[in-house]
Parts: sequence; C-alpha cells; structure tokens
Amino acid sequence: GAGVSQTPSNKVTEKGKYVELRCDPISGHTALYWYRQSLGQGPEFLIYFQGTGAADDSGLPNDRFFAVRPEGSVSTLKIQRTERGDSAVYLCASSTTGGSYHEQYFGPGTRLTVT
Amino acid sequence: RKEVEQDPGPFNVPEGATVAFNCTYSNSASQSFFWYRQDCRKEPKLLMSVYSSGNEDGRFTAQLNRASQYISLLIRDSKLSDSATYLCVVNGAAGNKLTFGGGTRVLVKP
Repeated sequence: GAGVSQTPSNKVTEKGKYVELRCDPISGHTALYWYRQSLGQGPEFLIYFQGTGAADDSGLPNDRFFAVRPEGSVSTLKIQRTERGDSAVYLCASSTTGGSYHEQYFGPGTRLTVT
Repeated sequence: RKEVEQDPGPFNVPEGATVAFNCTYSNSASQSFFWYRQDCRKEPKLLMSVYSSGNEDGRFTAQLNRASQYISLLIRDSKLSDSATYLCVVNGAAGNKLTFGGGTRVLVKP
C-alpha cells in the first residue's frame, strides 16, 4: 500500500514568511509524528498526534510552530515568521497506534530552505 | 550531554569484513530501542528492534546492555549496499517519541 507522503518535497521561502507543510499518513494509522532533521544530525522530535489531538508537543521549539490534524488523518505543520535557523528537513512519521513498540514509518520529508 | 550519543564515523569497511559500533543513552527509564538506517537524502527506515536478550537478523546483530546503557550493532560480511548512516534510536519513558542519535556513517568499499 501507499506509504507516508509529504508535500511539498522542497520549499524555499524568504525569512519572515509563513509556510505550511503537509503530511498524509498511512491509511488507518492513528498516530502521527513530526520530526526535524538538520544537516549531519539525527531527527529531532517536534510533536505527536493520537487521532485529532496533540498528545505531546514538547518538541516544538517556540510558538512560531504549530501543527494540526483536524480529521485524524492528514496533518499540517505551520511555521510563522520563518527564520534561517528553521532550514531543515521536516519528516513526518505514522504508526498503527502510539506506544513504545510500534514501528514508525517515515515519509520522504520536506526540505525547507529559508533565505 | 545528548540523550543518545553515537560515534559519527565514518567507518571505512572493506567489503566482506565485519564492523561493529555502539551508542549510549542517558535515560535509564527508556523502554524500547531500535536501529534505523538512513541513506543519503532519504528518510530513516527501521533496520531492527533491539531486545534485551540480543537479536539477530541475517547479517545484523544487535545487543542491549541496560546496566551500562549502551546498544550495539554488528554487521557481518559487509556488502556495498550496507553503506549508509545508522541511527541509534531510543523510545523514552513516555513511550511515544523517538530520540535519535546523530548517526554513524558506514562506508563499505570494494
């Protein structure tokens, strides 16, 4: 079946602009995660959704970052007033349900460049 | 100190050789452990889970030492296609978010 998809694959924006990144999880997966990966580093957790609600948003770096999942499927990560330091690959993952032992399947990521 | 630490490498490995590397984690309450593989400019993919008793999947062997808080991965009979970055991953006490190490780069050469 189809894997996790993310759009756009690449996004270039100017400092100060607003961006939205979209994630379409594997059908039937109730848990959805956002991570951010900077060059040469491992992914860093941003936020976890169980269904429609954000169960853990402890990784969001500041209030410029916000994510929604209104119908429990597609999720959008929103970044306001982008800064050059926001440049990274934003990865989305989904799993059948939350919990320690369920494999998370990653999408191909959105490469965000803030100029 | 980072929660999960890895030697970034690269480990240059002759084809057919064995390579092993570790990672250490700081949270003693961590519940589950994994190795993910990431190819250049691609997403991470699960290589294997790591169980307390140690486990093997083909040419790959993973070990967990809870007392010393480290995880190891051993690759036998290395193939050119094993060239990748190997990410050590820990699922914390809360159980939902993965904490990644910075990755160990492995280059298998003919």
